[in-house]
Amino acid sequence: EAGVTQSPTHLIKTRGQQATLRCSPISGHTSVYWYQQALGLGLQFLLWYDEGEERNRGNFPPRFSGRQFPNYSSELNVNALELEDSALYLCASRGGPSNTGELFFGEGSRLTVL
Amino acid sequence: DQQVKQNSPSLSVQEGRISILNCDYTNSMFDYFLWYKKYPAEGPTFLISISSIKDKNEDGRFTVFLNKSAKHLSLHIVPSQPGDSAVYFCAASVQTGANNLFFGTGTRLTVIP
Repeated sequence: EAGVTQSPTHLIKTRGQQATLRCSPISGHTSVYWYQQALGLGLQFLLWYDEGEERNRGNFPPRFSGRQFPNYSSELNVNALELEDSALYLCASRGGPSNTGELFFGEGSRLTVL
Repeated sequence: DQQVKQNSPSLSVQEGRISILNCDYTNSMFDYFLWYKKYPAEGPTFLISISSIKDKNEDGRFTVFLNKSAKHLSLHIVPSQPGDSAVYFCAASVQTGANNLFFGTGTRLTVIP
């Protein structure tokens, strides 16, 4: 069974540009989570999508947004990029009857803002 | 505000010895705790969890201890193996299955052969 997949693996942008990151959850999972891991920091919760709706968001400005598609895949969009947006962006999914709190993570997309 | 803290950024231990990774939290509402392991270029993978109704959970070489009064948990790995070398993240949530996990900053464990 395929795990959580993310693309692109690496992305280089300049300040002010927009970045789009993509995530495909594990088959059967309906919830998708986005986390940011900046240098020296833990995983910071960004967004949670479930059944196509945004259910919760972390303490990030509105230029961080996203959506979930009918097939449960998700996009994270970061507008007006700033240098401090350089980080590893991790997507995770969860779903099914076992609501244990365990998240299954992808390998991440590393965004570099120059 | 970091609600889950891992104050040791790195730890080195000899193969075969015990590795002890520590984690502190500030939110007394947390009642479910998890440890994740992360290898370079891979996403974090779930390792072990513990509910606040327990003070210990064991799975093979891995044991997690929870001290609710001190708001502290620790992960013991014994015996440590070179393949355990990775970054370990502590995470906490309010209620099992809650939809927001708070992560620590991670501890990089190096097991020396």
